[in-house]
Formats: sequence, C-alpha cells, structure tokens
Amino acid sequence: KAGVTQTPRYLIKTRGQQVTLSCSPISGHRSVSWYQQTPGQGLQFLFEYFSETQRNKGNFPGRFSGRQFSNSRSEMNVSTLELGDSALYLCASTRTSERNEQFFGPGTRLTVL
Amino acid sequence: EDKVVQSPLSLVVHEGDTVTLNCSYEVTNFRSLLWYKQEKKAPTFLFMLTSSGIEKKSGRLSSILDKKELFSILNITATQTGDSAIYLCAVGPQTGANNLFFGTGTRLTVIP
Repeated sequence: KAGVTQTPRYLIKTRGQQVTLSCSPISGHRSVSWYQQTPGQGLQFLFEYFSETQRNKGNFPGRFSGRQFSNSRSEMNVSTLELGDSALYLCASTRTSERNEQFFGPGTRLTVL
Repeated sequence: EDKVVQSPLSLVVHEGDTVTLNCSYEVTNFRSLLWYKQEKKAPTFLFMLTSSGIEKKSGRLSSILDKKELFSILNITATQTGDSAIYLCAVGPQTGANNLFFGTGTRLTVIP
C-alpha cells in the first residue's frame, strides 16, 4: 500500500509570496492533518481535515489555510510568507478522525528568503 | 497548558547497550500516547498506547504507559547503529479531534 505522498519536496520562496503544498493520504484514509516542524518549536499542529471539513485548527495565524477534496487529498496554503515560515511541513493521514495513530509523509521543506 | 516532556534530550550509547527513553505528559484531553522514530524526514509510527500497564513490543523495542503517573517509557535493547534517530512522543486527544501534541524528542546516537 502506498504511503502518504507530499509535493513538492523542496520549495524556495521569497518574503511576501504565497505557497501551496499538496498531500495525498494513504488509500482509504479520510483524515489528513498538517504539522509544522522547526528546530526551535518542534512539531506543531496546524489543522486537521476530515470529509472535506476542517475539524481542528492549531494556534497559527490566518495566513495558514487548507482544504480537503472529495478524494481526501489535501492542500495547505501560506500567504504573505515570512522568514519564520521556513520549516518542514508534514502531512499525516489516519483512517478516521476517531483514531490517533497517524502516518506521516516525507514532508515539504520550505525555505523563505 | 498542555505539556509533553521528553528526557533525556540526547543520548549517546554504544552498540549493544539498552536504552530507556522517557515521556511525561500533562494534558487535559488524553486518549492515547504515541511513539515515533524520525531519521531524516518523516516520523515513522512505532507504538500507540491507550491502557496502563500493557506493554507493547516490536522486536527490540517495547513501550509501556502509566496513566496514573502520566508517563511512558520506550525501551530499546541491543541497540544498533540503525536505531540512531530522534524519538518523538506525542499525546492524542479524545474522540472528535486528531491533533497530536508532540514533545521535543530525544536524539539517540548509537556508535559502533
């Protein structure tokens, strides 16, 4: 069974730009969560989507948004990029929103210059 | 404020040693505790524990949860260089949410 896939794997942007990251969950998994990982803050929850609805949101500014499509694929968008947005963005999927064990994709490394 | 604390922050051992990694938590909405191994990129799922006192085992790795004292340990026996990684502990909330709350991890280095 294929794992979680994320595209692109690496991205370099400049301040003020916006970026869209994509995540395809494991087949049959309907819940997709996004996390930001930085050396200083570790892994922090951004948001979770289930059945195209955002179920939970972490403590991030409104510049961070996401959506989920009917095939469970998800995208996250960051607008007006700041230097501090440089991080590894990880997507994780789980079969339903009632289970906690999440399976992570390889991540997208975003560098903001 | 929810908190997950892992110790030690880093550990260097020799191949063949046994290591114990610790995770303590204070969260208001607990359902499960999860362990992940992170080498280069994606954290890899190891264990999920929901009940106290029941040891989970997978090869040389084992983990146990104490819900009364609010901690978990991850044991690795007969360590190998391939065990070198960051080990992350996370707490999963009750139903209706799937936002894992992670500790900062323990960096394990196994030297030949």
